[in-house]
Amino acid sequence: QQQVKQSPQSLIVQKGGISIINCAYENTAFDYFPWYQQFPGKGPALLIAIRPDVSEKKEGRFTISFNKSAKQFSLHIMDSQPGDSATYFCAASKPSSGDKFYFGSGTKLNVKP
Amino acid sequence: DSGVTQTPKHLITATGQRVTLRCSPRSGDLSVYWYQQSLDQGLQFLIQYYNGEERAKGNILERFSAQQFPDLHSELNLSSLELGDSALYFCASSGLVGGSGEQFFGPGTRLTVL
Repeated sequence: QQQVKQSPQSLIVQKGGISIINCAYENTAFDYFPWYQQFPGKGPALLIAIRPDVSEKKEGRFTISFNKSAKQFSLHIMDSQPGDSATYFCAASKPSSGDKFYFGSGTKLNVKP
Repeated sequence: DSGVTQTPKHLITATGQRVTLRCSPRSGDLSVYWYQQSLDQGLQFLIQYYNGEERAKGNILERFSAQQFPDLHSELNLSSLELGDSALYFCASSGLVGGSGEQFFGPGTRLTVL
């Protein structure tokens, strides 16, 4: 059973537009929700992360919105740029699981010039 | 550059063979995690070590094993390789234990089993 469900699988956005990727989880014990960005042939790199005590976190053009009651969180990329074209993974972790990440299935973002 | 190094970058081998993937964590990080990423798939957690001891186990096959050495580097051993084992294998490290936080990923080892 997949613990973190991510959608959409792929996304095409025009330059300057807003990219939105959604994730949902079931386990209320999760206490850390990161988003990772992965370029082809590279390892994932942390983009932004949130803990459940806040509903939103913004870093530059990237914002995480967190809805604890709905057990959902999303990544918004404002003013999307071609350089943002990559695969994005949401994840969740809980201390009792040894800090391992449960990853979503990934979203391949293509920002068209 | 995350500070996590993995060798080799690429590995091509045949079915039935055994390979060893190596990972050096960031300086000071005691936790090492191994993940498998198959083609167009997400990242699947395999196993975690903390300061030399196994801390968590995921979907790791019995043909696979890992260890973390006193200098904190880790090795993932894959044996009796099958075509389906072809994937990217990532190592990540973290300085946290008992709490959740950022994991830093290495560049990965691409394993091709022919």
